[in-house]
Amino acid sequence: SAVISQKPSRDICQRGTSLTIQCQVDSQVTMMFWYRQQPGQSLTLIATANQGSEATYESGFVIDKFPISRPNLTFSTLTVSNMSPEDSSIYLCSVITASNEKLFFGSGTQLSVL
Amino acid sequence: GDSVTQMEGPVTLSEEAFLTINCTYTATGYPSLFWYVQYPGEGLQLLLKATKADDKGSNKGFEATYRKETTSFHLEKGSVQVSDSAVYFCALRKANAGKSTFGDGTTLTVKP
Repeated sequence: SAVISQKPSRDICQRGTSLTIQCQVDSQVTMMFWYRQQPGQSLTLIATANQGSEATYESGFVIDKFPISRPNLTFSTLTVSNMSPEDSSIYLCSVITASNEKLFFGSGTQLSVL
Repeated sequence: GDSVTQMEGPVTLSEEAFLTINCTYTATGYPSLFWYVQYPGEGLQLLLKATKADDKGSNKGFEATYRKETTSFHLEKGSVQVSDSAVYFCALRKANAGKSTFGDGTTLTVKP
């Protein structure tokens, strides 16, 4: 299994500012992902965080708005830039470990933008 | 593209009632299928999975069978408890792709 530490767990931010969310895993993982879960909705994949290279973004998400870093196999950050109230959501880090095919999730970051 | 369609909620049951949450999928190839559960105030966690046709995943009294002919993976439990109250997500993942596709989630509330 994998233990994922995601922080902050929640934040309230002002419009136009940026927030960086950190995801730390206790073991090396093959793949790391960032999802968004808007209120009452399902999970939407933002991007796959690639170690040492640019993240792979899904349709509707761009690097300028959601820059992602993954400097090594156990750590990644997601930045929500120039925030607006529409960015209010839960942001989730998830990983697939090398030893199995299970997808593990962090506890999420609940973001509210005023 | 791939998609997962879940039974709309919310679902409200009395304790010890039988639960079924329907899930159907559309995908090319042979995806693995999953059910995730999200308890109030917590993150998602894997409930059960099945990786090929006719496989049955089971955990904590929940079961789901991978039905390729009907492209379904319905979640069932014979006798629900108040502690089963949560949001349940059906999902699929292709063998060679890391990303998963999730259904919209079904909120289950079990009353004593």
